Amino acid sequence: GESVGLHLPTLSVQEGDNSIINCAYSNSASDYFIWYKQESGKGPQFIIDIRSNMDKRQGQRVTVLLNKTVKHLSLQIAATQPGDSAVYFCAVPGWASGGSYIPTFGRGTSLIVHP
Amino acid sequence: GAVVSQHPSWVICKSGTSVKIECRSLDFQATTMFWYRQFPKQSLMLMATSNEGSKATYEQGVEKDKFLINHASLTLSTLTVTSAHPEDSSFYICSVQPGLPSYEQYFGPGTRLTVT
Repeated sequence: GESVGLHLPTLSVQEGDNSIINCAYSNSASDYFIWYKQESGKGPQFIIDIRSNMDKRQGQRVTVLLNKTVKHLSLQIAATQPGDSAVYFCAVPGWASGGSYIPTFGRGTSLIVHP
Repeated sequence: GAVVSQHPSWVICKSGTSVKIECRSLDFQATTMFWYRQFPKQSLMLMATSNEGSKATYEQGVEKDKFLINHASLTLSTLTVTSAHPEDSSFYICSVQPGLPSYEQYFGPGTRLTVT
């Protein structure tokens, strides 16, 4: 099955700094990638996605970069705020036993923002 | 996007008892819903696909007789943990996937189950 991993389990940054969260994937045929944010005690929340025909996509204060050559993607958060403290997951769709094409989650990186 | 609720948000039960968790899709009619479990500091693991009006489809390694899923309407799926044991203590999250062109999923707030 799909293997999605994250390089660092925890990332600590100062408020106002930029944060970069990395993710590696194993299936070179993967064509869609999603980043989720999960705050403590809550369900994951969609942040941004990117398709394999793109190298970069920008949202509000977030940018996702995709390097298909090395099967790596990153999530960049500009001017990190305390409210950004959460666990961030990259996810790649795969086939569930029921036939649905749904995200497979990586291990997650815990982002801690110090005021 | 879709709005998903879960009830209860947390529950404590004694070993050997059963507990039911509800997942509601508030603004989207979901023929399919998904149940995940998440252990502390770990990722989400898909348990099963809940199908409206038919049997759920379980992922490999998930005991279907222990985790009973019922999807009686387009807005409600329930997960019943039967004969709960302390190792069933976990965070249970449901989701819906409105469909193409996006594979985006919308997740409920989760239910924290503690079995004593």
